[in-house]
Amino acid sequence: SQTIHQWPATLVQPVGSPLSLECTVEGTSNPNLYWYRQAAGRGLQLLFYSVGIGQISSEVPQNLSASRPQDRQFILSSKKLLLSDSGFYLCACPVRGSGGAAGGQYFGPGTRLTVT
Amino acid sequence: GDSVTQMEGPVTLSEEACLTINCTYTATGYPSLFWYVQYPGEGLQLLLKATKADDKGSNKGFEATYRKETTSFHLEKGSVQVSDSAVYFCALSGVGAQKLVFGQGTRLTINP
Repeated sequence: SQTIHQWPATLVQPVGSPLSLECTVEGTSNPNLYWYRQAAGRGLQLLFYSVGIGQISSEVPQNLSASRPQDRQFILSSKKLLLSDSGFYLCACPVRGSGGAAGGQYFGPGTRLTVT
Repeated sequence: GDSVTQMEGPVTLSEEACLTINCTYTATGYPSLFWYVQYPGEGLQLLLKATKADDKGSNKGFEATYRKETTSFHLEKGSVQVSDSAVYFCALSGVGAQKLVFGQGTRLTINP
């Protein structure tokens, strides 16, 4: 079955520092990959999604960027963090055997980022 | 565009009470509908889904029926447990879509 790994699990960073969050997927090939952010006490916001290596779609203009250097690796980055970047970051891929999002998505364990 | 609206939370119930969390949607055609659950400090887990009108998704005692006529997908459970305390998200996937659209989430707390 699919497994999504996210690293690190928690992170505390000062304002203005860079960021790199990593997501890797096992048990599936050429998946769509997604980055979501969940601010404290709020719903999910889709940040980026990728349908293949080097292909990134940005959903909202912001201080973040994403890259997909390998088929099963999705990276979320920032050059300079803002306080508003704090939140719970989740990586996701389609449920195995389903294309797009029609069969639902499988989520990783998340990275909790606190910007101080 | 497509959207999902969930009932406002938080919701607090006693153990063994009946639960309904309302979810309505706006979408063209026949989207797929989902309920996700997020336990404290964890990622989201798919709880149940329905892909066509009148389908009933069920899992762990939870049920939801895809109602096209009322564009709803309400989550129900007859007798909740303390372990059901979590945040619940309703979501949809439009026909041919690459993305899910989520509701704002409903925090559920069950007291013993």
